Amino acid sequence: DAGVIQSPRHEVTEMGQEVTLRCKPISGHNSLFWYRQTMMRGLELLIYFNNNVPIDDSGMPEDRFSAKMPNASFSTLKIQPSEPRDSAVYFCASSPSRSGQETQYFGPGTRLLVL
Amino acid sequence: GDSVTQMEGPVTLSEEAFLTINCTYTATGYPSLFWYVQYPGEGLQLLLKATKADDKGSNKGFEATYRKETTSFHLEKGSVQVSDSAVYFCALGRDDKIIFGKGTRLHILP
Repeated sequence: DAGVIQSPRHEVTEMGQEVTLRCKPISGHNSLFWYRQTMMRGLELLIYFNNNVPIDDSGMPEDRFSAKMPNASFSTLKIQPSEPRDSAVYFCASSPSRSGQETQYFGPGTRLLVL
Repeated sequence: GDSVTQMEGPVTLSEEAFLTINCTYTATGYPSLFWYVQYPGEGLQLLLKATKADDKGSNKGFEATYRKETTSFHLEKGSVQVSDSAVYFCALGRDDKIIFGKGTRLHILP
């Protein structure tokens, strides 16, 4: 079975450009999570969706970040405009249900470098 | 609020040594507890979990016991291998999300 799929795996862009990260969750999972990982701040939850609806976006750092989930099999995280401090690894994860007792399944991540 | 505290790394051990990575949590009620592992260049993956007090989770030779009285979920392995080198995250599940610790990097020397 395919796991969580993320694209691109690596992204290098210049400050001020728009960046779009993509995620395809595991089929049948109805919760989707976006995380950011850096050496300084560790793993941070940015936003999560249940049944395609954003539930908690309190972790989104600022208005430059936005996320959408137009259907059960696709989500995007967009940064516009990007800044060097956005450089990080961004992970998408999905879970079978909304319960915190469920395992989350992580994608391989997108390594973003903003110059 | 709910939180997880785990020992800071890096932890460096020789192959076949005994491993303990400490983890304590702060939470009301009975959250689920998890250990996730992240190998270089990969996403996190579940290593083991426990859903109630005194449960023991185990996988790949790793074990952790849910201790309500000490609010702990320490990770142990009797004999580590070079292939166990990774970052280990302790986590608790509350309501509809998982709260992760900061991670402990483990280096195993041959």
